[in-house]
Amino acid sequence: KAGVTQTPRYLIKTRGQQVTLSCSPISGHRSVSWYQQTPGQGLQFLFEYFSETQRNKGNFPGRFSGRQFSNSRSEMNVSTLELGDSALYLCASSQGQGNNEQFFGPGTRLTVL
Amino acid sequence: AQSVTQPDIHITVSEGASLELRCNYSYGATPYLFWYVQSPGQGLQLLLKYFSGDTLVQGIKGFEAEFKRSQSSFNLRKPSVHWSDAAEYFCAVGGMKTSYDKVIFGPGTSLSVIP
Repeated sequence: KAGVTQTPRYLIKTRGQQVTLSCSPISGHRSVSWYQQTPGQGLQFLFEYFSETQRNKGNFPGRFSGRQFSNSRSEMNVSTLELGDSALYLCASSQGQGNNEQFFGPGTRLTVL
Repeated sequence: AQSVTQPDIHITVSEGASLELRCNYSYGATPYLFWYVQSPGQGLQLLLKYFSGDTLVQGIKGFEAEFKRSQSSFNLRKPSVHWSDAAEYFCAVGGMKTSYDKVIFGPGTSLSVIP
């Protein structure tokens, strides 16, 4: 089985721009979660999508949004980028049925200048 | 409050030496425990998990962990470290059917291996 894939792997944006990150989960997985990882804050949960619906949401501002498509692929969007949004954004997929094992993608490294 | 602590921010060991990474947790229900490894520039890879049963859990890459309920600990061990084990290690705790926003990750322990 192919693993979780994320595109692009690296992004450089400037303040005020918006960005869209993509995640393709493992085949058959219906849950996709997004995390932000920074040296200072560690791994922080952004949101989870299951069957095209946002099931859980972390404590991030509304500039962070996401969606999931019928094939379980997910996108995450960040609008009006700030310097503090520079981070590694990780996507994780799972079967999402009471099974907490998540499989992580390699991440997208976002740098905001 | 629910939390995960990894007391060691950074550990350096010699190749071939044994390794123990500490993890302590505070969780109100029966915990599900995980250890992940993250190599530079990569995502997290699950090393092992504990749900129930035998408190000594075997994982991939020769790692094992022992769940000690009385000490609220889930320490990760490896008898002989290889240079390729240099990475960041994360302990995480959740509960049965816990939603992912409730899975708590520790701050991580960075492991360096001296040849």
